[in-house]
Amino acid sequence: TQLLEQSPQFLSIQEGENLTVYCNSSSVFSSLQWYRQEPGEGPVLLVTVVTGGEVKKLKRLTFQFGDARKDSSLHITAAQPGDTGLYLCAGGDNYGQNFVFGPGTRLSVLP
Amino acid sequence: DAGVIQSPRHEVTEMGQEVTLRCKPISGHNSLFWYRQTMMRGLELLIYFNNNVPIDDSGMPEDRFSAKMPNASFSTLKIQPSEPRDSAVYFCASSILRGLFFGEGSRLTVL
Repeated sequence: TQLLEQSPQFLSIQEGENLTVYCNSSSVFSSLQWYRQEPGEGPVLLVTVVTGGEVKKLKRLTFQFGDARKDSSLHITAAQPGDTGLYLCAGGDNYGQNFVFGPGTRLSVLP
Repeated sequence: DAGVIQSPRHEVTEMGQEVTLRCKPISGHNSLFWYRQTMMRGLELLIYFNNNVPIDDSGMPEDRFSAKMPNASFSTLKIQPSEPRDSAVYFCASSILRGLFFGEGSRLTVL
């Protein structure tokens, strides 16, 4: 069974600070996705990374896929209250069909 | 473009009653997933379909749960009989490549 761990579990920071959250596994994934979920809504896909070492940027968010495709990080620069939410990583199998989710990092950005 | 549409958004029922959750995936997406989310267990994959065919139902908790996808634009998840421990948010998601698009979820409370 492929399992994903995320750290930290909870993170509370002030507006303007930088932060990094991590997603780790002992398994290799063909792709890895990051999602953000706000209360009362479904997770929203932020990015998909597929190549070991790949780095993608989405405005103030930087995503990196580990060289061995077992881990990933999400870095947020100058966090804003609108970044508040549950950040989930998910690993995909070779067929892009079976997605395993981590437990999430709950981020709170205080104004 | 319409996203994944789920109904009902909220359902409160009594133990022993039948519950049917409905999902309309994004047009053109060939994979459909049912997830359950709780605080204790996070997002758990229940079952997924590819081209309307169930591929993996190993996450379905027990025989009380069943899912169907009679055509490319409709799926149901049925619980009969329902139990209090089934209380959770049930998400439907669809996909065509790597990455999932979630509906807003159906919050089920079984008294």
